[in-house]
Amino acid sequence: ETGVTQTPRHLVMGMTNKKSLKCEQHLGHNAMYWYKQSAKKPLELMFVYNFKEQTENNSVPSRFSPECPNSSHLFLHLHTLQPEDSALYLCASSRTRDVSYEQYFGPGTRLTVT
Amino acid sequence: GESVGLHLPTLSVQEGDNSIINCAYSNSASDYFIWYKQESGKGPQFIIDIRSNMDKRQGQRVTVLLNKTVKHLSLQIAATQPGDSAVYFCAENGNQGGKLIFGQGTELSVKP
Repeated sequence: ETGVTQTPRHLVMGMTNKKSLKCEQHLGHNAMYWYKQSAKKPLELMFVYNFKEQTENNSVPSRFSPECPNSSHLFLHLHTLQPEDSALYLCASSRTRDVSYEQYFGPGTRLTVT
Repeated sequence: GESVGLHLPTLSVQEGDNSIINCAYSNSASDYFIWYKQESGKGPQFIIDIRSNMDKRQGQRVTVLLNKTVKHLSLQIAATQPGDSAVYFCAENGNQGGKLIFGQGTELSVKP
């Protein structure tokens, strides 16, 4: 176990649904990340939070909305998604935003949009 | 990172053999590189990193080689074991320094 948990592990939702992905880290880290991993494509950074402040939004569509209530928890709120949004969504955390600090990844949420 | 394609590159090796996985990175300004391992059903896991002031770094059964002249990174796994079967991908910090850019990955399959 990496110390980063994600729920749910699998999610199937229709295009009109609203759902949320949850990430929790037990490592005392101050930076948390959302990544999208599509089949046969490189990992794509979506959002970064450092000390609860959003420091990066990597041109992500507004149908994805992150929330970081504290340094240990990160949410990704989903609404009116498209089938091409189906992917593995990975959460990660690190001591701070500095890339030299190792990022610890959760197991991901496998999202299918129907 | 590596160019994006429709098929993930694959490497099949015999148990006990050495494996070499390659990565062509894209940005000459990158000065920090990481190799990750991702097993089926799991998130990526850090294996080893290297800074641009080094050409080689060794870990336990793994060695990373960096050739800045041709922007090439490789991961060598000694005495490959079935537990090494996974997707391996490299990451670089790019010219902004604050964001990792990931490669597509190579799927390593170890035959017993």
